[in-house]
Amino acid sequence: GAGVSQTPSNKVTEKGKYVELRCDPISGHTALYWYRQSLGQGPEFLIYFQGTGAADDSGLPNDRFFAVRPEGSVSTLKIQRTERGDSAVYLCASSFDGSPKAGNTIYFGEGSWLTVV
Amino acid sequence: GNSVTQMEGPVTLSEEAFLTINCTYTATGYPSLFWYVQYPGEGLQLLLKATKADDKGSNKGFEATYRKETTSFHLEKGSVQVSDSAVYFCALAAGGSNYKLTFGKGTLLTVNP
Repeated sequence: GAGVSQTPSNKVTEKGKYVELRCDPISGHTALYWYRQSLGQGPEFLIYFQGTGAADDSGLPNDRFFAVRPEGSVSTLKIQRTERGDSAVYLCASSFDGSPKAGNTIYFGEGSWLTVV
Repeated sequence: GNSVTQMEGPVTLSEEAFLTINCTYTATGYPSLFWYVQYPGEGLQLLLKATKADDKGSNKGFEATYRKETTSFHLEKGSVQVSDSAVYFCALAAGGSNYKLTFGKGTLLTVNP
């Protein structure tokens, strides 16, 4: 696609429920990233995929958070037993690959706003 | 660990005023430095970047110079426009990777006509 696409754009869920957030990266991009942005803060790294595998999941806050990318394209971020503190904007991003080449730009989607009530 | 500190906003300027948004960082190794911008209702966009000391990144009239001696990457623009109103984020990637970005808290800029 033309850009990184995220769905849903907004999600309101009750505390304790399960949530899935979807990301469709730019076509041809092998690297995919998830970030979380709380109100008044900058984005915080959650997880990075290179192809199908999670190359770095050190930013996931606890075992309620999990992400997959089974075919190396679309990714799903899964949150179990949601808590009010999970309310944030979840940002997905992609780049051509994960290497630190000068021309390798990371492109962000518009985010999924999650509200846990 | 890595961290980015940027000036707190909000910043309100009149059109054609000079803009500076300060950014300083702490990092291991030799980080790459970035400014991202988020316009109302849109996703984060890369504004400019610099990958080594003394490099100057520039785009859309904005500039920032990578200053290793002061660990800074201040964003400047000589004459702002109403369309520059947005939230600006300073960020770094360190440790030999460009993927794990560490962001500042963001600075809201409002430019009035």
